[in-house]
Amino acid sequence: QKEVEQDPGPLSVPEGAIVSLNCTYSNSAFQYFMWYRQYSRKGPELLMYTYSSGNKEDGRFTAQVDKSSKYISLFIRDSQPSDSATYLCAMSPQGAQKLVFGQGTRLTINP
Amino acid sequence: EAGVVQSPRYKIIEKKQPVAFWCNPISGHNTLYWYLQNLGQGPELLIRYENEEAVDDSQLPKDRFSAERLKGVDSTLKIQPAELGDSAVYLCASSLVRGNTGELFFGEGSRLTVL
Repeated sequence: QKEVEQDPGPLSVPEGAIVSLNCTYSNSAFQYFMWYRQYSRKGPELLMYTYSSGNKEDGRFTAQVDKSSKYISLFIRDSQPSDSATYLCAMSPQGAQKLVFGQGTRLTINP
Repeated sequence: EAGVVQSPRYKIIEKKQPVAFWCNPISGHNTLYWYLQNLGQGPELLIRYENEEAVDDSQLPKDRFSAERLKGVDSTLKIQPAELGDSAVYLCASSLVRGNTGELFFGEGSRLTVL
């Protein structure tokens, strides 16, 4: 069993929809939780970062961490075609040094 | 400010041939990472450098893979000999050590095809 599980999709939704992306994990030592976005043939880029539990909001994006359930989520409101990409969850007990990535969910927003 | 630069972007070789990838990290970033990304998968760490020291190479297949970071700046990842299963994207990333929030800055990757 992988330390981090993420549904690979693909996920296809109409423009303007609310998107929910999720990951589960097994390592209770994880304290740092991130979401990276990766466009086709590009490197991943950090989208959201959360330390420990709780919610964090940045514009149309909201990240949630539930450590008791070992479950993290990313919500995208008012989704745009430019949001079409692969979304990778990543987590670590020590910042960037020990990042473990999920498989990535491929998301398409249809105009 | 320039981002992480990798070359070549694409490389096609026959099995058993050697191949090398080069990475120039963001200026001032002490930590450099090489990741392997297979198709449809997330990146997996191969090796992490703090300055010129390899501090985590536990996932690097040392029988055929080698890496170096001379002078603590640029880095090279080498595969010799390449196998069919090495076809993947090799990502280089860098980060600051202090105040590290977990943000890695990735290059665009070097896509290897082994025939």
